[in-house]
Amino acid sequence: GAVVSQHPSWVICKSGTSVKIECRSLDFQATTMFWYRQFPKQSLMLMATSNEGSKATYEQGVEKDKFLINHASLTLSTLTVTSAHPEDSSFYICSARDHQAGNEQYFGPGTRLTVT
Amino acid sequence: RKEVEQDPGPFNVPEGATVAFNCTYSNSASQSFFWYRQDCRKEPKLLMSVYSSGNEDGRFTAQLNRASQYISLLIRDSKLSDSATYLCVMNTGFQKLVFGTGTRLLVSP
Repeated sequence: GAVVSQHPSWVICKSGTSVKIECRSLDFQATTMFWYRQFPKQSLMLMATSNEGSKATYEQGVEKDKFLINHASLTLSTLTVTSAHPEDSSFYICSARDHQAGNEQYFGPGTRLTVT
Repeated sequence: RKEVEQDPGPFNVPEGATVAFNCTYSNSASQSFFWYRQDCRKEPKLLMSVYSSGNEDGRFTAQLNRASQYISLLIRDSKLSDSATYLCVMNTGFQKLVFGTGTRLLVSP
Protein backbone atom coordinates (compact mmCIF):
# COMPACT_ATOMS: atom_id res chain seq x y z
CA GLY A 1 0.00 0.00 0.00
CA ALA A 2 0.93 3.64 -0.31
CA VAL A 3 3.28 5.05 2.30
CA VAL A 4 3.19 8.48 3.89
CA SER A 5 5.93 9.63 6.20
CA GLN A 6 6.08 12.48 8.68
CA HIS A 7 9.04 14.16 10.23
CA PRO A 8 9.71 14.61 13.03
CA SER A 9 7.77 11.93 14.86
CA TRP A 10 7.89 13.96 18.03
CA VAL A 11 9.17 17.38 18.98
CA ILE A 12 9.43 19.44 22.13
CA CYS A 13 9.77 23.17 21.74
CA LYS A 14 9.63 26.27 23.88
CA SER A 15 6.71 28.62 23.89
CA GLY A 16 7.05 31.31 21.23
CA THR A 17 9.15 29.29 18.83
CA SER A 18 8.07 27.86 15.48
CA VAL A 19 8.01 24.23 14.49
CA LYS A 20 7.91 22.76 10.99
CA ILE A 21 6.39 19.35 10.32
CA GLU A 22 6.94 17.57 7.02
CA CYS A 23 4.57 15.16 5.32
CA ARG A 24 5.82 13.12 2.39
CA SER A 25 4.18 10.64 0.07
CA LEU A 26 6.91 8.13 -0.60
CA ASP A 27 5.67 6.07 -3.49
CA PHE A 28 2.95 8.12 -5.10
CA GLN A 29 2.15 11.66 -6.07
CA ALA A 30 -0.35 13.52 -3.95
CA THR A 31 -2.03 16.59 -5.36
CA THR A 32 -4.01 16.85 -2.16
CA MET A 33 -2.82 16.42 1.40
CA PHE A 34 -4.73 16.98 4.59
CA TRP A 35 -3.59 18.12 8.00
CA TYR A 36 -5.39 16.92 11.11
CA ARG A 37 -4.95 17.57 14.81
CA GLN A 38 -5.94 15.24 17.61
CA PHE A 39 -6.08 16.21 21.27
CA PRO A 40 -6.11 13.47 23.91
CA LYS A 41 -9.32 11.44 23.94
CA GLN A 42 -10.75 13.51 21.13
CA SER A 43 -11.36 12.84 17.48
CA LEU A 44 -9.14 13.84 14.62
CA MET A 45 -10.10 17.30 13.48
CA LEU A 46 -9.34 18.46 9.98
CA MET A 47 -7.30 21.65 10.09
CA ALA A 48 -6.71 22.31 6.42
CA THR A 49 -6.59 20.89 2.95
CA SER A 50 -3.32 21.38 1.15
CA ASN A 51 -3.30 21.51 -2.63
CA GLU A 52 -0.11 21.32 -4.62
CA GLY A 53 0.75 24.64 -6.18
CA SER A 54 -2.03 26.62 -4.57
CA LYS A 55 -3.07 28.04 -1.22
CA ALA A 56 -4.35 25.75 1.45
CA THR A 57 -7.98 25.75 2.47
CA TYR A 58 -8.42 26.13 6.20
CA GLU A 59 -11.29 24.86 8.27
CA GLN A 60 -13.34 27.25 10.32
CA GLY A 61 -11.58 28.30 13.49
CA VAL A 62 -8.08 27.42 12.28
CA GLU A 63 -5.81 30.45 12.02
CA LYS A 64 -4.05 30.42 8.68
CA ASP A 65 -1.37 32.84 9.89
CA LYS A 66 -0.54 30.59 12.79
CA PHE A 67 -0.54 27.31 10.92
CA LEU A 68 1.36 27.89 7.71
CA ILE A 69 0.97 25.24 5.06
CA ASN A 70 3.14 24.85 2.01
CA HIS A 71 2.60 22.19 -0.65
CA ALA A 72 5.34 22.98 -3.11
CA SER A 73 5.67 19.57 -4.73
CA LEU A 74 3.54 16.53 -5.41
CA THR A 75 5.23 14.59 -2.64
CA LEU A 76 5.75 17.11 0.13
CA SER A 77 3.55 19.31 2.28
CA THR A 78 4.75 21.17 5.34
CA LEU A 79 2.90 22.56 8.33
CA THR A 80 4.61 25.25 10.37
CA VAL A 81 3.20 26.06 13.78
CA THR A 82 4.29 29.63 14.38
CA SER A 83 4.73 31.18 17.82
CA ALA A 84 3.73 27.93 19.45
CA HIS A 85 1.95 27.95 22.79
CA PRO A 86 1.28 25.11 25.23
CA GLU A 87 -2.31 24.83 23.95
CA ASP A 88 -0.87 23.90 20.55
CA SER A 89 0.51 20.71 22.08
CA SER A 90 -1.21 17.94 20.17
CA PHE A 91 -0.84 15.03 17.79
CA TYR A 92 -0.59 16.33 14.23
CA ILE A 93 -1.38 13.85 11.48
CA CYS A 94 -1.23 14.32 7.75
CA SER A 95 -2.85 12.27 5.05
CA ALA A 96 -2.35 12.15 1.32
CA ARG A 97 -4.70 11.19 -1.44
CA ASP A 98 -3.39 9.14 -4.32
CA HIS A 99 -5.45 10.58 -7.12
CA GLN A 100 -4.54 7.69 -9.38
CA ALA A 101 -5.79 5.07 -6.95
CA GLY A 102 -9.31 6.08 -6.06
CA ASN A 103 -10.35 8.11 -3.08
CA GLU A 104 -8.48 6.48 -0.23
CA GLN A 105 -6.45 8.70 2.04
CA TYR A 106 -3.22 7.35 3.42
CA PHE A 107 -2.20 8.62 6.82
CA GLY A 108 1.23 9.50 8.06
CA PRO A 109 2.40 8.19 11.44
CA GLY A 110 1.78 11.52 13.12
CA THR A 111 3.91 14.08 14.91
CA ARG A 112 3.53 14.61 18.63
CA LEU A 113 4.19 18.23 19.50
CA THR A 114 4.78 19.34 23.07
CA VAL A 115 5.18 23.04 23.75
CA THR A 116 6.68 23.91 27.10
CA ARG B 1 -24.88 18.09 17.68
CA LYS B 2 -21.71 16.34 16.58
CA GLU B 3 -21.59 15.23 12.97
CA VAL B 4 -20.53 11.74 13.97
CA GLU B 5 -21.37 10.26 17.35
CA GLN B 6 -19.99 7.13 18.93
CA ASP B 7 -20.18 5.53 22.32
CA PRO B 8 -16.65 6.04 23.70
CA GLY B 9 -16.74 2.78 25.67
CA PRO B 10 -14.60 1.08 26.71
CA PHE B 11 -16.11 -2.20 25.69
CA ASN B 12 -14.46 -4.94 27.72
CA VAL B 13 -14.92 -8.37 26.17
CA PRO B 14 -13.22 -11.75 26.56
CA GLU B 15 -11.36 -13.40 23.73
CA GLY B 16 -13.70 -15.13 21.33
CA ALA B 17 -16.64 -12.85 22.04
CA THR B 18 -18.68 -11.04 19.44
CA VAL B 19 -18.93 -7.31 19.87
CA ALA B 20 -20.80 -4.63 17.95
CA PHE B 21 -20.38 -0.89 17.72
CA ASN B 22 -22.81 1.63 16.35
CA CYS B 23 -22.26 5.12 15.10
CA THR B 24 -24.78 7.78 14.13
CA TYR B 25 -24.28 10.66 11.75
CA SER B 26 -26.22 13.84 11.23
CA ASN B 27 -25.41 14.82 7.66
CA SER B 28 -27.78 12.95 5.40
CA ALA B 29 -25.80 14.09 2.38
CA SER B 30 -22.70 12.19 3.47
CA GLN B 31 -21.41 10.15 0.61
CA SER B 32 -19.34 7.36 2.01
CA PHE B 33 -18.44 5.82 5.31
CA PHE B 34 -15.54 3.95 6.80
CA TRP B 35 -14.31 2.28 9.93
CA TYR B 36 -10.76 3.05 10.94
CA ARG B 37 -8.75 1.50 13.69
CA GLN B 38 -6.41 3.57 15.82
CA ASP B 39 -3.92 2.13 18.26
CA CYS B 40 -2.67 4.21 21.15
CA ARG B 41 -0.51 7.11 19.99
CA LYS B 42 -0.58 5.91 16.39
CA GLU B 43 -2.19 7.09 13.19
CA PRO B 44 -5.60 5.73 12.13
CA LYS B 45 -5.62 2.86 9.68
CA LEU B 46 -8.44 1.98 7.35
CA LEU B 47 -10.26 -1.12 8.51
CA MET B 48 -13.02 -1.24 5.95
CA SER B 49 -15.45 0.75 3.89
CA VAL B 50 -19.14 0.59 4.69
CA TYR B 51 -21.86 -0.02 2.11
CA SER B 52 -25.63 -0.19 2.32
CA SER B 53 -25.44 -3.75 1.10
CA GLY B 54 -23.11 -4.64 3.94
CA ASN B 55 -19.45 -5.42 3.78
CA GLU B 56 -17.70 -8.41 5.31
CA ASP B 57 -13.99 -8.93 5.67
CA GLY B 58 -13.09 -12.01 7.65
CA ARG B 59 -14.27 -11.53 11.21
CA PHE B 60 -15.44 -7.99 10.54
CA THR B 61 -18.82 -6.97 9.17
CA ALA B 62 -19.89 -3.40 8.52
CA GLN B 63 -23.34 -2.15 7.68
CA LEU B 64 -24.83 1.19 6.67
CA ASN B 65 -28.43 2.17 7.33
CA ARG B 66 -29.08 5.41 5.49
CA ALA B 67 -32.71 5.68 6.56
CA SER B 68 -31.73 5.70 10.22
CA GLN B 69 -28.38 7.36 9.63
CA TYR B 70 -26.22 4.89 11.46
CA ILE B 71 -23.45 2.51 10.65
CA SER B 72 -22.33 -0.53 12.55
CA LEU B 73 -19.29 -2.71 12.96
CA LEU B 74 -19.46 -6.29 14.14
CA ILE B 75 -16.38 -8.16 15.26
CA ARG B 76 -16.66 -11.91 15.66
CA ASP B 77 -14.29 -14.18 17.57
CA SER B 78 -12.45 -11.26 19.16
CA LYS B 79 -8.69 -11.50 19.43
CA LEU B 80 -6.39 -9.77 21.90
CA SER B 81 -4.94 -7.89 18.93
CA ASP B 82 -8.34 -6.36 18.22
CA SER B 83 -7.89 -4.12 21.27
CA ALA B 84 -7.85 -0.60 19.86
CA THR B 85 -10.05 2.41 19.28
CA TYR B 86 -12.45 2.11 16.37
CA LEU B 87 -13.23 5.31 14.56
CA CYS B 88 -16.39 5.89 12.59
CA VAL B 89 -15.61 8.14 9.65
CA MET B 90 -17.67 9.76 6.96
CA ASN B 91 -16.71 11.46 3.77
CA THR B 92 -18.82 14.58 3.32
CA GLY B 93 -17.54 15.30 -0.15
CA PHE B 94 -14.35 16.74 -1.64
CA GLN B 95 -12.55 13.96 0.21
CA LYS B 96 -13.10 15.65 3.57
CA LEU B 97 -13.21 13.04 6.29
CA VAL B 98 -15.10 13.65 9.51
CA PHE B 99 -14.05 11.42 12.38
CA GLY B 100 -15.98 10.27 15.39
CA THR B 101 -14.25 10.28 18.76
CA GLY B 102 -13.92 6.53 18.61
CA THR B 103 -15.05 3.52 20.58
CA ARG B 104 -12.43 1.84 22.67
CA LEU B 105 -12.33 -1.96 22.67
CA LEU B 106 -10.43 -4.00 25.22
CA VAL B 107 -10.20 -7.74 24.61
CA SER B 108 -9.01 -9.72 27.60
CA PRO B 109 -7.63 -13.27 27.83
